[in-house]
Amino acid sequence: AQSVTQLDSHVSVSEGTPVLLRCNYSSSYSPSLFWYVQHPNKGLQLLLKYTSAATLVKGINGFEAEFKKSETSFHLTKPSAHMSDAAEYFCVVSDRWGYKYIFGTGTRLKVLA
Amino acid sequence: DTGVSQDPRHKITKRGQNVTFRCDPISEHNRLYWYRQTLGQGPEFLTYFQNEAQLEKSRLLSDRFSAERPKGSFSTLEIQRTEQGDSAMYLCASSSGTGLNTEAFFGQGTRLTVV
Repeated sequence: AQSVTQLDSHVSVSEGTPVLLRCNYSSSYSPSLFWYVQHPNKGLQLLLKYTSAATLVKGINGFEAEFKKSETSFHLTKPSAHMSDAAEYFCVVSDRWGYKYIFGTGTRLKVLA
Repeated sequence: DTGVSQDPRHKITKRGQNVTFRCDPISEHNRLYWYRQTLGQGPEFLTYFQNEAQLEKSRLLSDRFSAERPKGSFSTLEIQRTEQGDSAMYLCASSSGTGLNTEAFFGQGTRLTVV
């Protein structure tokens, strides 16, 4: 069965410092992986997705993630945090047929001024 | 706005009452999904439609839950005889195409509180 584990439930960074949100996955086949962000009172928004074309995936708002098969990881990074990045972030793996999402438990990012 | 629309945004109901939520997907998206999100958790899959056909239902979807997508456009999710454990955010999403890496677009959700 497919699953994702988000290693940190809360992460706090200072504005302007790097962001690292960690995600490990488990899959019996080549996975499709996504990162979504959820701002308060807003819908889930796709940040980026892994398509197997490149292991380093660039997304919106300066975020990127690197797929590491040997480590079964798909960590999300951003070089410099902005106050507007404060939100809940979800790592997601899709099922074998590509339609059902399995979400991690989320990481709440707090950005300190 | 051409995103996924859900109605109502909030619903408070008494235990034992029936409730119905509506989801309008992005136009021409053939796939529609329902998820449930409880506090502090990630969304959990409930059910999936391809056009008007309901192709999968999670074991989370008890007999009190029913979902329809009558003409392959909007969808409704009904909960009968609500229980306090049904309190959650109910999310709808839609996508187009087939295969892997299909991006799902989510609505803002309906927050249900059962008192």
